[in-house]
Amino acid sequence: AQTVTQSQPEMSVQEAETVTLSCTYDTSESDYYLFWYKQPPSRQMILVIRQEAYKQQNATENRFSVNFQKAAKSFSLKISDSQLGDAAMYFCAYRSGGGYGNKLVFGAGTILRVKS
Amino acid sequence: GAGVSQSPSNKVTEKGKDVELRCDPISGHTALYWYRQSLGQGLEFLIYFQGNSAPDKSGLPSDRFSAERTGGSVSTLTIQRTQQEDSAVYLCASSSRTGDQPQHFGDGTRLSIL
Repeated sequence: AQTVTQSQPEMSVQEAETVTLSCTYDTSESDYYLFWYKQPPSRQMILVIRQEAYKQQNATENRFSVNFQKAAKSFSLKISDSQLGDAAMYFCAYRSGGGYGNKLVFGAGTILRVKS
Repeated sequence: GAGVSQSPSNKVTEKGKDVELRCDPISGHTALYWYRQSLGQGLEFLIYFQGNSAPDKSGLPSDRFSAERTGGSVSTLTIQRTQQEDSAVYLCASSSRTGDQPQHFGDGTRLSIL
């Protein structure tokens, strides 16, 4: 079974600075997808960024980028120019590729606090 | 609607009662998932529906939990004889197809068992 580990229960960053959230995963599969979701106090899970395992290029979405190290099974999220609205719980998630019924496997989450 | 809709938003009930949680997925989405998020924890998979195929129930924690999806759209998650450990946020997600399409989540139902 696949597992996802987020070793940082809580992180803090000063507004306008950069922060990196860590995520490692364990799988024997070669075809899979990785995601970062943001969960503000409103509870809704918001997709931040995703990465296909077969792509070597790291995904980027505006101020959000990932460092995908497939051999090391590492998938960190970098948030540049942090804003107060970035404060939330961040979840790393894994999904098997191909076929149907591929559920998301989540890490325990990292609380991100942004200081003004 | 524009997004995944869940009701009720909050539910408080006494131990031993049955509860029903509802999920209305994004129109046209064939895949529907239920997850449970216990306090301060990540999400755990409960059940998955895809079209008219038999659901994947592998994540249901006990036989007190069941779910159905009528007409390939709205889904209901039922918990019978609720226990205090059932207290959690129950999140529903849908996607247009599996593979690289992301799952879109609702706001969840916060269930509190007294």
